[in-house]
Amino acid sequence: EVQLVESGGGLVKPGGSLRLSCAASGFTFSTYTMNWVRQAPGKGLEWVSSITGSSIYIYYADSVKGRFTISRDNAKNSLYLQMNSLRAEDTAVYYCARDTNFGDYWGQGTLVTVSS
Amino acid sequence: DIQMTQSPSTLSASVGDRVTITCRASQSISSWLAWYQQKPGKAPKLLIYKASSLQSGVPSRFSGSGSGTEFTLTISSLQPDDFATYHCQQYNSYWTFGQGTKVEIK
Repeated sequence: EVQLVESGGGLVKPGGSLRLSCAASGFTFSTYTMNWVRQAPGKGLEWVSSITGSSIYIYYADSVKGRFTISRDNAKNSLYLQMNSLRAEDTAVYYCARDTNFGDYWGQGTLVTVSS
Repeated sequence: DIQMTQSPSTLSASVGDRVTITCRASQSISSWLAWYQQKPGKAPKLLIYKASSLQSGVPSRFSGSGSGTEFTLTISSLQPDDFATYHCQQYNSYWTFGQGTKVEIK
């Protein structure tokens, strides 16, 4: 059974940093592109970043470029999102999603709140 | 960037109703469109991919159609479990989502 479990969310002050993790199981993690998608309270879904299986290709939304870094450790079946210079508008539930062109499996999400 | 626009934003319907949600892309995305269902506090669940292909395990009352820039999601007979928010997503170039359509009880 495919499972994606995010962790690492919490309350952080503006300008602070946070590292999210996504633990994957039930599939051959290294062969899949993975994505981070976020959802601000009461809002729609926003794609944040993606990384191919071998980490050769990495993409970011303009809203996070230069502040967020996506990475993965295929030996640990884990996906990461390092978030720096956080802003109030980064407050959201962050989901990791497996990419088969679309998102066929999603984690339950982890809440990031940026507030002083 | 490709923009996705859903309509309506909210839809009030009764059990048994036929429901249609529309999604428009700012440029042609061929058939690279997916639909998701999301319930409060839960992750999105894939319903439809490639505009009209039903994801395994999804009831056949859900169907999708369209290509190019205009797409629809249809629920043929609304069931109590279907009251939720529905999102369209293009995957022709990165991922972009519509703003969501909330289907609520009339």
